[in-house]
Amino acid sequence: QVQLQESGPGLLKPSQTLSLTCTVSGGSISSGSYYWSWIRQPAGKGLEWIGRIYTSGSTNYNPSLKSRVTISVDTSKNQFSLKLSSVTAADTAVYYCARVLAVLTLAFDIWGQGTMVTVSS
Amino acid sequence: DIQMTQSPSSLSASVGDRVTITCRASQSISSYLNWYQQKPGKAPKFLIYAASSLQSGVPSRFSGSGSGTDFTLTISSLQPEDFATFYCQQSYSSPYTFGQGTKLEIK
Repeated sequence: QVQLQESGPGLLKPSQTLSLTCTVSGGSISSGSYYWSWIRQPAGKGLEWIGRIYTSGSTNYNPSLKSRVTISVDTSKNQFSLKLSSVTAADTAVYYCARVLAVLTLAFDIWGQGTMVTVSS
Repeated sequence: DIQMTQSPSSLSASVGDRVTITCRASQSISSYLNWYQQKPGKAPKFLIYAASSLQSGVPSRFSGSGSGTDFTLTISSLQPEDFATFYCQQSYSSPYTFGQGTKLEIK
């Protein structure tokens, strides 16, 4: 079955760029009618959708983060990635990658285990 | 952005109880509503899509209903493994927003 795994640095300093990669295993990132998404969750708080990408490269971002976010896909590596620039302490969170099922609705049907990113000087 | 408001924020219940969690959207979202369950330290698990369709593998004691602005998640008979935090999420329009969560605790 399809599994997702996030990877990337866990500690950043303010103003640096957060870079995370999600590796998809057990299936091709290009197969089926799926988008691929990033979601984050500060400790003890709720979930915030960051953005999504289709394998064509088409993207859609949360306006609250749009000026700082780039999501890209590398179908040859079965991966998609997140870059978030100019991070501050407010970007400290667990970051999840997720597959977006597009049937009747758009739903996050498969999630990675999440990776903790801390922004601290 | 569409605001999603869940009630209650927390709930204490016993094994075997029937519980209902409510999710209200700030505008009509038709049936573009999904539900997730999250246990501490784990990623959310997808439960219900399009307001009332059960994801494959999810026990039938979970059910969802509603349309427009008001939705409910019902667990017909609580099991020990059901105690967790539940989130609703709208996919009617971007940005896709989540409710603040309802924490279901053991009484």
